[in-house]
Amino acid sequence: DGGITQSPKYLFRKEGQNVTLSCEQNLNHDAMYWYRQDPGQGLRLIYYSQIVNDFQKGDIAEGYSVSREKKESFPLTVTSAQKNPTAFYLCASSAQTVLYGYTFGSGTRLTVV
Amino acid sequence: GIQVEQSPPDLILQEGANSTLRCNFSDSVNNLQWFHQNPWGQLINLFYIPSGTKQNGRLSATTVATERYSLLYISSSQTTDSGVYFCAVLGQGGSEKLVFGKGTKLTVNP
Repeated sequence: DGGITQSPKYLFRKEGQNVTLSCEQNLNHDAMYWYRQDPGQGLRLIYYSQIVNDFQKGDIAEGYSVSREKKESFPLTVTSAQKNPTAFYLCASSAQTVLYGYTFGSGTRLTVV
Repeated sequence: GIQVEQSPPDLILQEGANSTLRCNFSDSVNNLQWFHQNPWGQLINLFYIPSGTKQNGRLSATTVATERYSLLYISSSQTTDSGVYFCAVLGQGGSEKLVFGKGTKLTVNP
């Protein structure tokens, strides 16, 4: 079955550490996205990529970094510069941004300890 | 940028009741989707509906693009319908970012 796989499901980070969240899709989608969700809130866009080796900042990119070396993979690194990283992170993909819907992964819950 | 407002923010129903969720948006859109987020956080795509009406079982959605709103109807609600319903839009004018509303939290009691 085609879909998006995010790992790990739960992640704990110590202050000052960088952590990387994995997102892999086998849908052959061109575009991939990272969203952050805080309790009781909607989703906010962190980064997105429409093609391999290219990506753009979303609305809340500070303290995060991404790479898109392969079409199927779009890892997100939460750096120590992100002051409030505890949140639920969702990865999504789409075939085309305008004509097709988005498919989401099951998310990674990151907690700073 | 485009603004998305959803109402009501919270809704509590008895099993079997019907409900209507609303999504207003501030500008013309190329894409509008309704999602259901289950208690485990998974976002499920319910409808891709930039205009017109679609139905899928007990759920249906209507988007009136000229008046900038969309409605999600849930009939004969079940406890498994509980969760948060999000509306998300992609504005026209070259925007590449899906913008989400803050959601409607639905609780269906047995």
